[in-house]
Amino acid sequence: NAGVTQTPKFRILKIGQSMTLQCTQDMNHNYMYWYRQDPGMGLKLIYYSVGAGITDKGEVPNGYNVSRSTTEDFPLRLELAAPSQTSVYFCASSYSENEKLFFGSGTQLSVL
Amino acid sequence: GQNIDQPTEMTATEGAIVQINCTYQTSGFNGLFWYQQHAGEAPTFLSYNVLDGLEEKGRFSSFLSRSKGYSYLLLKELQMKDSASYLCAVMDSNYQLIWGAGTKLIIKP
Repeated sequence: NAGVTQTPKFRILKIGQSMTLQCTQDMNHNYMYWYRQDPGMGLKLIYYSVGAGITDKGEVPNGYNVSRSTTEDFPLRLELAAPSQTSVYFCASSYSENEKLFFGSGTQLSVL
Repeated sequence: GQNIDQPTEMTATEGAIVQINCTYQTSGFNGLFWYQQHAGEAPTFLSYNVLDGLEEKGRFSSFLSRSKGYSYLLLKELQMKDSASYLCAVMDSNYQLIWGAGTKLIIKP
């Protein structure tokens, strides 16, 4: 099992550009999450999904969008990149809502 | 508001024991997690406590007191590879995880 696969690992965007962060898991987990991690702060939940076709906002959803067309995939879309979106992004999955999270390797995104 | 507090940084010596504390104030409680995160890597699961008491797993142990809103992670026989950040996270009444900022543990030879 590959676990949670997240791409790309690094990306530099110009202000106003768009991009999609890809996330796929092969553990048949229903729950998937997108977090951002900024220096000196705890992980912040952007969006989450409890199953295919179901998504919901987390703590910091502004400027992002997600979709969940299959159990395996949960891409994160940035439409108009802003410097405030410079961060490290992690995708994660879990079997159920109170089970441990499995994380992808992370994406370091810089918006300049 | 909901809050998780843990020390920003700690230093310990190889072979010694270190205790990393975590205090929390959340809307309800459905469990507390500890994760380890090496620099530039993703967090990995260490432990989960939902009932009061001590959970032991090899060199690592985690303690929970729900009445005090307090947990600690105990690392014994420290090794250089234990140099990492340790993240405390509490699951609230809505099953949302609230994360602490993490404690950076520096191990010296």
